[in-house]
Amino acid sequence: AQSVAQPEDQVNVAEGNPLTVKCTYSVSGNPYLFWYVQYPNRGLQFLLKYITGDNLVKGSYGFEAEFNKSQTSFHLKKPSALVSDSALYFCAVRDMWTDSWGKLQFGAGTQVVVTP
Amino acid sequence: GAVVSQHPSRVICKSGTSVKIECRSLDFQATTMFWYRQFPKQSLMLMATSNEGSKATYEQGVEKDKFLINHASLTLSTLTVTSAHPEDSSFYICSAEGLAENEQFFGPGTRLTVL
Repeated sequence: AQSVAQPEDQVNVAEGNPLTVKCTYSVSGNPYLFWYVQYPNRGLQFLLKYITGDNLVKGSYGFEAEFNKSQTSFHLKKPSALVSDSALYFCAVRDMWTDSWGKLQFGAGTQVVVTP
Repeated sequence: GAVVSQHPSRVICKSGTSVKIECRSLDFQATTMFWYRQFPKQSLMLMATSNEGSKATYEQGVEKDKFLINHASLTLSTLTVTSAHPEDSSFYICSAEGLAENEQFFGPGTRLTVL
């Protein structure tokens, strides 16, 4: 079975500082990995995904994530955080080997708070 | 990018009534749609997976007779909460997956409040 862990409930960072949101995963086969962001009372917005290829994936709004197979991690990063980045971030995994329905397993979410 | 809409965005209903929520893929054909439920400050919980023209597959613990899902076309899926009770109050989010099959596009969500 697939699973995703986001070890931090909340991450606090000052504006302009680097932002990292951690994610580790567990799957039987090859993972498809995703990051989404959610603003209050809104649906999920796609940030980036890793399917195959380069381990460093660049996404929307200046975010990037690095796929690390040995550490089974897919941490989200942004070099310089903005106050507008304050939101709830979800990591998700899909096990393409065992799940033909395409079900996503979401992490618990990490609340990012960027202070001016 | 692909756009998924949900209607209504908010609904308040009396206990015992039924509520229908629509999920539409606006600019692509969705072979598979997913329905999620989200409680405040919590993650998304998958309720069911639906494929056009076939019965939905419900996750364990989700009552199929209470949460009726219909996926009548490649652009529309509906979730009907039957005989709603206050404990059904939640944020319901749908997503749709196109032929590329490696990305889900999410709707903006529907806030259901049952009085």
